[in-house]
Amino acid sequence: NAGVTQTPKFQVLKTGQSMTLQCAQDMNHNSMYWYRQDPGMGLRLIYYSASEGTTDKGEVPNGYNVSRLNKREFSLRLESAAPSQTSVYFCAGSGTLPSSYNEQFFGPGTRLTVL
Amino acid sequence: SQQGEEDPQALSIQEGENATMNCSYKTSINNLQWYRQNSGRGLVHLILIRSNEREKHSGRLRVTLDTSKKSSSLLITASRAADTASYFCATDSTGTYKYIFGTGTRLKVLA
Repeated sequence: NAGVTQTPKFQVLKTGQSMTLQCAQDMNHNSMYWYRQDPGMGLRLIYYSASEGTTDKGEVPNGYNVSRLNKREFSLRLESAAPSQTSVYFCAGSGTLPSSYNEQFFGPGTRLTVL
Repeated sequence: SQQGEEDPQALSIQEGENATMNCSYKTSINNLQWYRQNSGRGLVHLILIRSNEREKHSGRLRVTLDTSKKSSSLLITASRAADTASYFCATDSTGTYKYIFGTGTRLKVLA
């Protein structure tokens, strides 16, 4: 099993460009998450999907959109990138059964720089 | 704002010593989790403690939870150089599937 995978690993964008970060999991997780991590800030939740077909905003959703394409895939889109979105983005999956008591499994991250 | 705040922000100890880090949070929770992050990597789950539990052990890890003080502590005993990493607490928010992470403690274990 590959676990949680993210593509691309690195990306450089110019201000105003758009892009989609891809996340896929083969662990049969019900819930999936997108976080950003800035230096010294810990992880901040952007969006999450508690189950297939649902998405909800996290702490910092502005400037982002998400799609839960199916149970395996959860993508994050930047419509018009800004330098403030320079960060490391992590995707995570959680829970094969509906429950709050589930650990999260993280992907390796995407390092995004917006010039 | 972040739900969890870790203390201290950074900790440097000698190999073999114990490391203690603390996490405080703001609202009622169902559970609290601790994660480790090695430099440049994704987070790895260490341990989960439910709101009705007070202490939990896993190998060299001991976690305590005090819901009256809204705080938790992670103790790593007999630390090793390989324990060098950042440690984060994460709490669920009002029983949803949404987790909020703290700002982390950077632990450095000197050989």
